Amino acid sequence: RKEVEQDPGPFNVPEGATVAFNCTYSNSASQSFFWYRQDCRKEPKLLMSVYSSGNEDGRFTAQLNRASQYISLLIRDSKLSDSATYLCVVNGGNFNKFYFGSGTKLNVKP
Amino acid sequence: NAGVMQNPRHLVRRRGQEARLRCSPMKGHSHVYWYRQLPEEGLKFMVYLQKENIIDESGMPKERFSAEFPKEGPSILRIQQVVRGDSAAYFCASSPQGTNQPQHFGDGTRLSIL
Repeated sequence: RKEVEQDPGPFNVPEGATVAFNCTYSNSASQSFFWYRQDCRKEPKLLMSVYSSGNEDGRFTAQLNRASQYISLLIRDSKLSDSATYLCVVNGGNFNKFYFGSGTKLNVKP
Repeated sequence: NAGVMQNPRHLVRRRGQEARLRCSPMKGHSHVYWYRQLPEEGLKFMVYLQKENIIDESGMPKERFSAEFPKEGPSILRIQQVVRGDSAAYFCASSPQGTNQPQHFGDGTRLSIL
C-alpha cells in the first residue's frame, strides 16, 4: 500500500466552480501535512500547510481528519490560473521524510 | 533571502558520460532531498541527506547513482555512465530541522541524454 494516495483525475471544471480533492495516508503517526501545487515543467510550490483545526487561505480550504487518515483541499470560485497538479504531502514522523502523492490534475475551463 | 539553488538548469550529456547536479539548500536548512520526475509522471523520491550523512537512500538506483552533502558546499547528485533513461527533471528540496516544517524546492535540473 502506498504511503499517500490521491485520485489522479483529471478534474475538468468550469470557471467559478467549487472543486475538492481528497488524499489518504497510511501512517497514523504522521505529524504534518501539506498541499503543493505543480505547474507543467515547473517545481512544486507550497500551497498551504494543513492544520488539525482546518485552515483557510482565500479561496482555498484545507481539512485534516486524523481518525480517517485523510486530508482534503477545497477550491472555491475556480480560476483558469488554478489549472495545475495538486500534490498531497505527508511528513512521516520519526525523521524528516516526506511522502508525496502522485498528484491530482485540475483543468479549469473558460 | 535566496531559496533553494540548483545548477545547472539544463544539462546535456552523451551516453556514457557523467552528470553532476548541484543543490544549495535555503539558508538555515540542514535537510536536503533529491527527487526525479519523468515527463507526465509524478515525483519519485531518491535520497534524503543531512550534512555529511545519508539518512535514506531507498529511492536511489543501486548502480551509477550517488549523492553527498558535505560539511562545506552544496549537495551533489552524481550519475555515472549516463543512459537515455536517465533523462528527466531532477528536483532538490530542503527543509529545516523539525517535522512540522515543509520542504521548499529548487527550480530543478533538466537532464537530457543524447
